[in-house]
Amino acid sequence: DQQVKQNSPSLSVQEGRISILNCDYTNSMFDYFLWYKKYPAEGPTFLISISSIKDKNEDGRFTVFLNKSAKHLSLHIVPSQPGDSAVYFCAAALTQGGSEKLVFGKGTKLTVNP
Amino acid sequence: DTGVSQDPRHKITKRGQNVTFRCDPISEHNRLYWYRQTLGQGPEFLTYFQNEAQLEKSRLLSDRFSAERPKGSFSTLEIQRTEQGDSAMYLCASSRGTGEGYTFGSGTRLTVV
Repeated sequence: DQQVKQNSPSLSVQEGRISILNCDYTNSMFDYFLWYKKYPAEGPTFLISISSIKDKNEDGRFTVFLNKSAKHLSLHIVPSQPGDSAVYFCAAALTQGGSEKLVFGKGTKLTVNP
Repeated sequence: DTGVSQDPRHKITKRGQNVTFRCDPISEHNRLYWYRQTLGQGPEFLTYFQNEAQLEKSRLLSDRFSAERPKGSFSTLEIQRTEQGDSAMYLCASSRGTGEGYTFGSGTRLTVV
């Protein structure tokens, strides 16, 4: 049972345009959501997060939107840059008994073309 | 802050051998996690420590796997009698539990031949 789904395995955009990465989840008990970026042969790097009580969080070129009724979140990157090319993982956090267990999607490979 | 360190970066072992990986978390982080990532998948939770106490284990962690964090600082993950299905990237992460996710290390890539 995959609780966090990223249905697009890949996305290609032109430099300077907007990249929109999508994520759906099934468990309404998730406390907050995160996006991680991963380059080959490296561990995931934290990008941005959003609490389940908010609907938008912005950090520079990165904005995450949360639609709780649809159990959907998205990451917008504007403007996209070639250095943004990486695999992006959506993750959802369950905080129970002090643990912050993350449930990850399968990732979306973003390619930003110069 | 030197980040989360994992050693070794790569390990190739023969089926049936035992392997041990080490993780050094960020020093002020009291929470430490192990995840496993296979090709085409996102990281999957294996186990969690708060200080030296192992508080949660995934059902993915069979009895061939054991993890320790003896003094609440570094942690080790041991796999006994390795199988080809154990081939994966093993990721360690640490956090302060502030609700901002956590910091991952670069991982140990295990290949069982």
